Amino acid sequence: AQSVAQPEDQVNVAEGNPLTVKCTYSVSGNPYLFWYVQYPNRGLQFLLKYITGDNLVKGSYGFEAEFNKSQTSFHLKKPSALVSDSALYFCAVRDGGFQKLVFGTGTRLLVSP
Amino acid sequence: GAGVSQSPRYKVAKRGQDVALRCDPISGHVSLFWYQQALGQGPEFLTYFQNEAQLDKSGLPSDRFFAERPEGSVSTLKIQRTQQEDSAVYLCASSLRASSNQPQHFGDGTRLSIL
Repeated sequence: AQSVAQPEDQVNVAEGNPLTVKCTYSVSGNPYLFWYVQYPNRGLQFLLKYITGDNLVKGSYGFEAEFNKSQTSFHLKKPSALVSDSALYFCAVRDGGFQKLVFGTGTRLLVSP
Repeated sequence: GAGVSQSPRYKVAKRGQDVALRCDPISGHVSLFWYQQALGQGPEFLTYFQNEAQLDKSGLPSDRFFAERPEGSVSTLKIQRTQQEDSAVYLCASSLRASSNQPQHFGDGTRLSIL
């Protein structure tokens, strides 16, 4: 069965500092990995995905993520955080044979001025 | 272009009532998904359509939940005899093709409160 773990309920970072939001996954086949962001009372917005190829994936709003097969991780990163990045972030995995996404429990990112 | 549209945005119902939630996917999107998001949790899969065919309904929690997409575009999620545990945000998502590498695009959800 597919699963995703986001070990941190909340990440706090000062504006201008780099940020990392952690994600580990478990699938039986090839992993298709996604990051989404959710603002209050809104749906999920797609940030980036890893399907195959380069382990470093670049996405929207300056975010990137690093796929590490040996550690089964897909951590989200940004070199310089903005206050407007404060939101709820979800990692999701899709086993290649299935259509549905399996989400983690989410990590709240709080960027202080 | 327009994104995924869901209506109503908020729905309050008394326990035992039936409710219907509507999803208008992005035009031309083949795949449509429904997810349930409980407070403080990540979304959980309910069901999946490819055009009008419901190919996966493994996430529907009981036979009180029913979804349809009769013409391969608009979809309705119906919950019969609602119970308090049905209170959640119901999210609809669509993707362009039936391919695992396609990102899903989400609507803003319907927040359902059962009194």
